[in-house]
Amino acid sequence: DPKIIQKPKYLVAVTGSEKILICEQYLGHNAMYWYRQSAKKPLEFMFSYSYQKLMDNQTASSRFQPQSSKKNHLDLQITALKPDDSATYFCASSQDGTGDEQYFGPGTRLTVL
Amino acid sequence: QQKVQQSPESLSVPEGGMASFNCTSSDRNFQYFWWYRQHSGEGPKALMSIFSDGDKKEGRFTAHLNKASLHVSLHIRDSQPSDSALYFCAASDPHTGGADRLTFGKGTQLIIQP
Repeated sequence: DPKIIQKPKYLVAVTGSEKILICEQYLGHNAMYWYRQSAKKPLEFMFSYSYQKLMDNQTASSRFQPQSSKKNHLDLQITALKPDDSATYFCASSQDGTGDEQYFGPGTRLTVL
Repeated sequence: QQKVQQSPESLSVPEGGMASFNCTSSDRNFQYFWWYRQHSGEGPKALMSIFSDGDKKEGRFTAHLNKASLHVSLHIRDSQPSDSALYFCAASDPHTGGADRLTFGKGTQLIIQP
């Protein structure tokens, strides 16, 4: 059974619209993260949450907003979508967020037209 | 300039051979290093971590860290077709609250030739 679920797997959006990427982890972890993987760019850290609190934000734009409704959920809301937002977005989790191993989900591939 | 640089960009190794990857950091605050592997269509998966100078061996995988030169390497012996994947080096700074903020390199594409 998959331990980290990301929905949807593929997403197509139009410029200017808003989308929510879903992430649920069933590993019993206390820390969750979002990363972005664009074409020809390294995997980039976006946010980290620990015990449902925002710990680190490396995203320059306020258009990206993480939402943690439950301990094992960390969704990502993206508003005013731009073509440059096209990427695969990975959710990850770790036990305590203290430098331990991060487990990645399968990703959501977002295409903005 | 990227803070984590990997070489080579791609690597082709015969089945049963040795695959070697290199990674250099330009940030002396990076003290934790990880190797991740990503198969096509999947998320990255951690292979191993190395935090201290020297070698660390786990099965067919051996990592080496030299903190003075900020260089870390990964070697895979007896390479298998299932090892064909994209390999990433990742680093983090444990001293400024960023222990889990991983900075990734661009990756090395490994192809194992049957």
